[in-house]
Amino acid sequence: AQSVSQHNHHVILSEAASLELGCNYSYGGTVNLFWYVQYPGQHLQLLLKYFSGDPLVKGIKGFEAEFIKSKFSFNLRKPSVQWSDTAEYFCAVIVYSGAGSYQLTFGKGTKLSVIP
Amino acid sequence: EAQVTQNPRYLITVTGKKLTVTCSQNMNHEYMSWYRQDPGLGLRQIYYSMNVEVTDKGDVPEGYKVSRKEKRNFPLILESPSPNQTSLYFCASSLGRTQPQHFGDGTRLSIL
Repeated sequence: AQSVSQHNHHVILSEAASLELGCNYSYGGTVNLFWYVQYPGQHLQLLLKYFSGDPLVKGIKGFEAEFIKSKFSFNLRKPSVQWSDTAEYFCAVIVYSGAGSYQLTFGKGTKLSVIP
Repeated sequence: EAQVTQNPRYLITVTGKKLTVTCSQNMNHEYMSWYRQDPGLGLRQIYYSMNVEVTDKGDVPEGYKVSRKEKRNFPLILESPSPNQTSLYFCASSLGRTQPQHFGDGTRLSIL
């Protein structure tokens, strides 16, 4: 079965530090990839998505992610985090499993705490 | 404003008392789904619907029912809730199953 791994459960950074959150998936076929962010007490919001084309995707609030097909990875990056980036981040993968069927799987999430 | 609206936002109830969590979207989306979010487990899909009268099981459907009689509404029904269904529930909608989802604000259910 399809799985999505987010390696870090909780990341703590100081403001202005660089961020990289890992996301690996287990399926080798065609995928759609997403990063969502959940600010404390709020619902999930889309940060960025990759369907095809340029593997370096830019999203909102200065976030970007790189799709590396050979590594089955879609890591999220930000050069300089702010206190307001404190949130939980979820990677999600949609795979085409044949006969018009798609499977959506979320990672377990990574909590980011940014210290002022 | 484009939104997904869930009600109630919070509910404390007792084992076995049937409850319904409503979900409505105003974006004319075909695809809707329900998730539960539990600490350390992330989001797990309960049920989804590709369109009116078309629903299917997600990863954790046991103990839940859904219906899709109208495009905008997708209620989640717990016929006989149990304490292991205590969780934070999110409804979501999208243009299609492969598209980014718009999430509701969540419903926190506590089953005593």
